[in-house]
Formats: sequence, C-alpha cells, structure tokens
Amino acid sequence: EADIYQTPRYLVIGTGKKITLECSQTMGHDKMYWYQQDPGMELHLIHYSYGVNSTEKGDLSSESTVSRIRTEHFPLTLESARPSHTSQYLCASSVQTGQGGRDIQYFGAGTRLSVL
Amino acid sequence: KNQVEQSPQSLIILEGKNCTLQCNYTVSPFSNLRWYKQDTGRGPVSLTIMTFSENTKSNGRYTATLDADTKQSSLHITASQLSDSASYICVVSDRGSTLGRLYFGRGTQLTVWP
Repeated sequence: EADIYQTPRYLVIGTGKKITLECSQTMGHDKMYWYQQDPGMELHLIHYSYGVNSTEKGDLSSESTVSRIRTEHFPLTLESARPSHTSQYLCASSVQTGQGGRDIQYFGAGTRLSVL
Repeated sequence: KNQVEQSPQSLIILEGKNCTLQCNYTVSPFSNLRWYKQDTGRGPVSLTIMTFSENTKSNGRYTATLDADTKQSSLHITASQLSDSASYICVVSDRGSTLGRLYFGRGTQLTVWP
C-alpha cells in the first residue's frame, strides 16, 4: 500500500468558492503529479513537480494552480470553482527504479469534486 | 499521434473463469508499458511494468505480455475472483522527455459475477 494521502475524499461546493485539494506522501519521492479523470475516461496530467520549488503545467489545460514548498506536500488550488471543474482529481508520486524512465507511480485515492 | 487504445471497453465474466484484456498503442519512442488496476473510487495501483526487451511479466494471477514490434500488449487474468472487478488501465511511457511522459488508455471495466 502506497503512503500517499489525499483529502478530502469528496467535496461538494458552490460556484465561485476557493478550494484547496491536499496531497501528501511520506515516501520522500521527488516527483509528484496531479491528474484529472472523468468517469470512463483516461487520466489527464494537469500539473507535475520535479521537486521543491518546481512546478510545471501538464498536457491538459487547467485553471488550477499548485505549489511545492515541501517535498512531501503538493496541494492543488482552484481560486474560483465552476461546474466545469467537477471531476475526480488524482495525486501521484514516483520514484525511479532500475533502468532509465522506469519510474513507478503511486496514486492517492483521489478527491471527487462536485461544483454546483 | 501518440495513443493508447484498449479493448474491450467492458467485460463481464463468471468467477473462476479466465480473461484477456487488450492494449494497442502508437506511442513512439517507446520506453515501457504498464498495467494498472483501479478499483471504483480509488487511485490506480501498478500491476506490471515492461520495457521493450521484456515480452512477459507475471504478478500472481495477472500475466502481461508485450509485442513491441506490433505495439500490442495483453493482460491475462487467471481464475478470476470477485475482487478482480475493477478498471484495468494500460499506460505507455515514451522516452521523449526527462519526465518520461505517460499515455493512458481509457481502461477496460471488468466485472466478475459469482
């Protein structure tokens, strides 16, 4: 079982609210990621980080922002939530093992966000 | 365009039966291919990971195969159990960046009936 935690598991909020989704890992992994996943669809990378003070945007454009002040913590923030942000958000961290590029990603349980 | 296609989209089998899930990809350059299991409402969990030089990898009742020439992979589940009910996701990594970008399939939703 991976030591990566996401809170809250479920969140229902009104339009215009500011929210922060928390993600923490205790494995000391440098790389961390945020994915967005709609039901029956593939995961889309929205943010990633190579380490402290490193953040990059992923393939899917997102109005969310992230920060990486500590190795173990990678929160995602939405300044003004909208119904289009309704989705499942998955956080992951990874460590490289053996051959180059063969890093194993460990996922959190996800946060299911509903914006009314 | 780099893509990962999985089939079937969904599958229902009886407990104790075997099944095979398919994955075709067009990702290039190729680094490795992973199979993940995602239970409903949970994050994906890694089952196997294979590089181009590996053509089979087992993890308990799960056996993954890879044909890098035809760009196809399969996941075979033996003697299925009710707990195997989940979405199985094929993920391909390229060598095109230091991040080793991952391309996700949409998954095969497997349901095991008693």
